[in-house]
Amino acid sequence: QQPVQSPQAVILREGEDAVINCSSSKALYSVHWYRQKHGEAPVFLMILLKGGEQKGHDKISASFNEKKQQSSLYLTASQLSYSGTYFCGTENRGGSNYKLTFGKGTLLTVNP
Amino acid sequence: NAGVTQTPKFQVLKTGQSMTLQCAQDMNHNSMYWYRQDPGMGLRLIYYSASEGTTDKGEVPNGYNVSRLNKREFSLRLESAAPSQTSVYFCASRRAGGVDTQYFGPGTRLTVL
Repeated sequence: QQPVQSPQAVILREGEDAVINCSSSKALYSVHWYRQKHGEAPVFLMILLKGGEQKGHDKISASFNEKKQQSSLYLTASQLSYSGTYFCGTENRGGSNYKLTFGKGTLLTVNP
Repeated sequence: NAGVTQTPKFQVLKTGQSMTLQCAQDMNHNSMYWYRQDPGMGLRLIYYSASEGTTDKGEVPNGYNVSRLNKREFSLRLESAAPSQTSVYFCASRRAGGVDTQYFGPGTRLTVL
């Protein structure tokens, strides 16, 4: 079951904040976040494994609400280098632990 | 460490032609994957190999075959290419399920005329 990402696209000015959400219709085992620059491969940002877990990576952090079956990616004080498409990949409880299902992505554009 | 490598980087085929996309990883990972990426569709799983000697269908397997040649290599074959298979193909590998994540190769841009 493909997770649903929102919003589909967001445009920011440098220094502004953004939140990207990833929701699943099934119970989640893990959520993996990636960023992809145009013409390049997706690059791993972080993985969340436990309900309520929050992780940080520079000014990018994420949370995992197991009860709501969703994860959110927080980008604070955005930089030009944050531009790209963000994907969440999910593994569901009870399913195979060997493959991720990806959302359709959120296109983030950061302007000067 | 080269990570995950893919060949070729670009390919143009005519309808009906066949070809094999190659993928190799040097991270001693157990699981390997083939995805296709089309505009607005995200990454869709074609086939995967949870461990050496096993392969399974993903979300969009029709028109493709795979071979897990050994632990390092996982190839994707298009027997009779169709314009609908025009896409960017990514290979990925993962040590194991659970706490480990996937790492992607640089991709192959395939155009079928």
